[in-house]
Amino acid sequence: AQSVTQLDSQVPVFEEAPVELRCNYSSSVSVYLFWYVQYPNQGLQLLLKYLSGSTLVESINGFEAEFNKSQTSFHLRKPSVHISDTAEYFCAVSDRLSGSARQLTFGSGTQLTVLP
Amino acid sequence: NAGVMQNPRHLVRRRGQEARLRCSPMKGHSHVYWYRQLPEEGLKFMVYLQKENIIDESGMPKERFSAEFPKEGPSILRIQQVVRGDSAAYFCASSPPGTGRTYEQYFGPGTRLTVT
Repeated sequence: AQSVTQLDSQVPVFEEAPVELRCNYSSSVSVYLFWYVQYPNQGLQLLLKYLSGSTLVESINGFEAEFNKSQTSFHLRKPSVHISDTAEYFCAVSDRLSGSARQLTFGSGTQLTVLP
Repeated sequence: NAGVMQNPRHLVRRRGQEARLRCSPMKGHSHVYWYRQLPEEGLKFMVYLQKENIIDESGMPKERFSAEFPKEGPSILRIQQVVRGDSAAYFCASSPPGTGRTYEQYFGPGTRLTVT
């Protein structure tokens, strides 16, 4: 079984400032890692994923996340945020075991609010 | 390529009525997942289906809830005799067949169920 902890439920930040949203996970097996973004009254959109290879993954809109196996973390960062980044961000994990159900386990979410 | 479709987007039911939520996966996707998002919480896995098969229903409540994904037509999540605690947003996700990308899940906009 896995669990995901997002320690910060609310993160306010001024426009053009950097931001880091923290995600830690617990699992007895190797995992895949994901960040999803949810805008108000919409579904979740996949922001970026770590499946294998380079531990630093990037999205097309400037976010990046780094898989740190020793610290069991997958923190999300952006060097300069925009008003349009205001949304809720969910970290999720899925185990890598072949043949197992591919359910995602989500954290409780972090509401990022970008202030003008 | 249309995304995951869910309908209705909003559903109001009185206690004791039945709720039927529909999900059409993305074109070419053969895996469907249902998640529930309670207020102030992250998404919780309910069930994972492939065409005509329930693969993992470990997250489904034991009573009143059922899901299907028939050979033709959308996936249906059915809640019988709804209670106020069933009020939540229900999200459907789909993923493509084969290996490598099956851990990528694409979410629909959700159905917001309100039980009065």
